[in-house]
Amino acid sequence: AQKITQTQPGMFVQEKEAVTLDCTYDTSDPSYGLFWYKQPSSGEMIFLIYQGSYDQQNATEGRYSLNFQKARKSANLVISASQLGDSAMYFCAMREGGIGNNDMRFGAGTRLTVKP
Amino acid sequence: EAQVTQNPRYLITVTGKKLTVTCSQNMNHEYMSWYRQDPGLGLRQIYYSMNVEVTDKGDVPEGYKVSRKEKRNFPLILESPSPNQTSLYFCASSQSPGTWTDTQYFGPGTRLTVL
Repeated sequence: AQKITQTQPGMFVQEKEAVTLDCTYDTSDPSYGLFWYKQPSSGEMIFLIYQGSYDQQNATEGRYSLNFQKARKSANLVISASQLGDSAMYFCAMREGGIGNNDMRFGAGTRLTVKP
Repeated sequence: EAQVTQNPRYLITVTGKKLTVTCSQNMNHEYMSWYRQDPGLGLRQIYYSMNVEVTDKGDVPEGYKVSRKEKRNFPLILESPSPNQTSLYFCASSQSPGTWTDTQYFGPGTRLTVL
């Protein structure tokens, strides 16, 4: 079963505006971590932000923030003041607790294009 | 500099010719894994290792082998590559196994084409 869903294959945003990239997840484990990665055209995977399931406040890292709505099982990434360099593929991922392989499960990704 | 390295970065090969993609990390991480990335599918785990000499299958292990003889190295072996293994491959590592709070750090990726 798909554990991470990113419903937006592609998004466009005007430079300097904010954009929200959607991510919903499915788990019955009370302990889990949610991660966002950026993949520019060069291909590398760059870690952006982390949110733990027990964290009371939404995570923020510079222009990135995570809109964590636990009851809705959503973990949307908000990028404020978009820059041309933000154009990239963005992946939402989840790591569950429990014993054994705490594999990181990825969504299919959202391609963000920032327009000048 | 803390990093995960992979070699080669690009490889074009032919069906059936054995190849190895190397992966090395300098962060003393216990957990290492291999992923393949295909359009529309995100990243899928091939194999993982929780420590030296401890490896196990991920979601898509068919056609691949791994070994973990040293903590820092985790090579991916394709004994007889086929065209459906054409993909972008990532090695990743994280501090410890069994920890859902750990961030995984990725290598730069290896783009493999099997003709």
